[in-house]
Amino acid sequence: DTAVSQTPKYLVTQMGNDKSIKCEQNLGHDTMYWYKQDSKKFLKIMFSYNNKELIINETVPNRFSPKSPDKAHLNLHINSLELGDSAVYFCASSQEGGRLSPLHFGNGTRLTVT
Amino acid sequence: GQQVMQIPQYQHVQEGEDFTTYCNSSTTLSNIQWYKQRPGGHPVFLIQLVKSGEVKKQKRLTFQFGEAKKNSSLHITATQTTDVGTYFCAGPEGTASKLTFGTGTRLQVTL
Repeated sequence: DTAVSQTPKYLVTQMGNDKSIKCEQNLGHDTMYWYKQDSKKFLKIMFSYNNKELIINETVPNRFSPKSPDKAHLNLHINSLELGDSAVYFCASSQEGGRLSPLHFGNGTRLTVT
Repeated sequence: GQQVMQIPQYQHVQEGEDFTTYCNSSTTLSNIQWYKQRPGGHPVFLIQLVKSGEVKKQKRLTFQFGEAKKNSSLHITATQTTDVGTYFCAGPEGTASKLTFGTGTRLQVTL
């Protein structure tokens, strides 16, 4: 019954590695997002897709590449991981885009880069 | 870009005391949303306010949207240990499907 699910829950890796996080939502929403939450709990949007189309791309290093194979899935691939990438990454979805409808978040992926 | 600040950053209360967090946006908002994140959890939507001066209640929680639609507050009456967590306000930025989250207020409640 999970609405927004992301995997893995924890990811520990070394600098320079490449890793992916997967996200799926079964709510039938049109818009999906990736948010990054740092150690101070600040939540910052990274990307947003609407019906597989990229609509928001914040100032994120191009080592981060989102991919949306269909409107129910939004994956995040990170190349050449750096220490500063350590954070919790949340996937979220909403019906009409965050301006009008609430976001439903996944449980998060805690990424630790050593 | 739009900035959304919350105060206080952290508050520690004893169970039964009241708590208020304030949210201030650098721009006028079409609406404001509030979320709660329990420790180790993910943000969960609480409520959305749309009208200027709007006040909504959910049991012990009272949400208010300012007249100028640039600020908002969340007041919890008689806190309980289940209220522990970080409370975020969030407002849409421009016409894009972008929700900017406030800096958050972490609430700790002890017996």
